[in-house]
Amino acid sequence: DAGITQSPRYKITETGRQVTLMCHQTWSHSYMFWYRQDLGHGLRLIYYSAAADITDKGEVPDGYVVSRSKTENFPLTLESATRSQTSVYFCASSGQGSFSNQPQHFGDGTRLSIL
Amino acid sequence: SQQGEEDPQALSIQEGENATMNCSYKTSINNLQWYRQNSGRGLVHLILIRSNEREKHSGRLRVTLDTSKKSSSLLITASRAADTASYFCACGGYNKLIFGAGTRLAVHP
Repeated sequence: DAGITQSPRYKITETGRQVTLMCHQTWSHSYMFWYRQDLGHGLRLIYYSAAADITDKGEVPDGYVVSRSKTENFPLTLESATRSQTSVYFCASSGQGSFSNQPQHFGDGTRLSIL
Repeated sequence: SQQGEEDPQALSIQEGENATMNCSYKTSINNLQWYRQNSGRGLVHLILIRSNEREKHSGRLRVTLDTSKKSSSLLITASRAADTASYFCACGGYNKLIFGAGTRLAVHP
């Protein structure tokens, strides 16, 4: 089925480890996004991508790395995980045009715990 | 810093009642969007209202936008238990879409 899928759904890791969260969409949407959701903060944008090989920082990019070699995939890597990165991470996508003028379509999230 | 702030933070009503949630923002916007999030799931887009629109409907949803007051409201009419969720406004500016912290709605049978 068409949609946006994230994997894994749950992940527990230790501080200092590298962890990669995967995101795959089947709509061929131009834009893809990574958000983190923490209690009291709503969603905060980490990184976004306007197209393959084009990425840009969001509000809270420190400690994260992204890549987009293919339109459909947008992995998020925590290079050296810290406890403050414990959160629920959401991937989203939207079509062409200014991303702020388009609805975004979200995956079901990855719940990441860093011990 | 958050652009949209929802009010109330939590709302508890009975089935069949109407639910109204408000969103206020600080700077000018191109559009305002509303999303729903069920527990353990991702956000689902409900409605987008552009800055030159005042009201929009979608099924049991009615959204208003008052740019002079920098505020929007989401009205859910004849609520159902299945409407229990968190609702978020998101303010669309130039290359920005900033989400508020949400309103938790509980609809009791």
